[in-house]
Amino acid sequence: ETGVTQSPTHLIKTRGQQVTLRCSSQSGHNTVSWYQQALGQGPQFIFQYYREEENGRGNFPPRFSGLQFPNYSSELNVNALELDDSALYLCASSLGQRSYEQYFGPGTRLTVT
Amino acid sequence: RKEVEQDPGPFNVPEGATVAFNCTYSNSASQSFFWYRQDCRKEPKLLMSVYSSGNEDGRFTAQLNRASQYISLLIRDSKLSDSATYLCVVIPNYGGATNKLIFGTGTLLAVQP
Repeated sequence: ETGVTQSPTHLIKTRGQQVTLRCSSQSGHNTVSWYQQALGQGPQFIFQYYREEENGRGNFPPRFSGLQFPNYSSELNVNALELDDSALYLCASSLGQRSYEQYFGPGTRLTVT
Repeated sequence: RKEVEQDPGPFNVPEGATVAFNCTYSNSASQSFFWYRQDCRKEPKLLMSVYSSGNEDGRFTAQLNRASQYISLLIRDSKLSDSATYLCVVIPNYGGATNKLIFGTGTLLAVQP
């Protein structure tokens, strides 16, 4: 096991609602990256947090936002949910924003109806 | 054009077979290359790094051809437990501060008894 945990495991929301997903990084890791994996696709980078600051962002709209706490755990918030937001959301922790070794959590499966 | 392209498969092979996966990447400045393995409904896990000099780990061999922007993974003597999706991953070197992973869509391998 990687030591990276995510909650909840599964979630069902209605279009237009808001959702918060949580990630606890591996002990000692100060960097968390979030990825979205749609069915049949590879994960896509959403953004990265390093020492509580957003440190890079992929091609996702502003309704995707995040937060990192002093203990390096992180949240991903998605507002105004759309049907296409249905996906597996993965967080990955690493030591340092340029570390090549990233450890993934088990993911949160979000279904938007 | 996608940054990382893979044949999605599926590859159906008998136990004991040798199977090869290929991947191409579009950005010639990309610096780091990996193969990840993802089991059904699980998170991706690092399988191995890929170097120009080649990298071998037991039955698995990975190779990088920078001139052709091509990455390969060879699995010899396939086992039932090798059944999974294999994701080609590139870390671009766009001068940014992040180590975001760029994933291919993945290639599904099904090893048959």
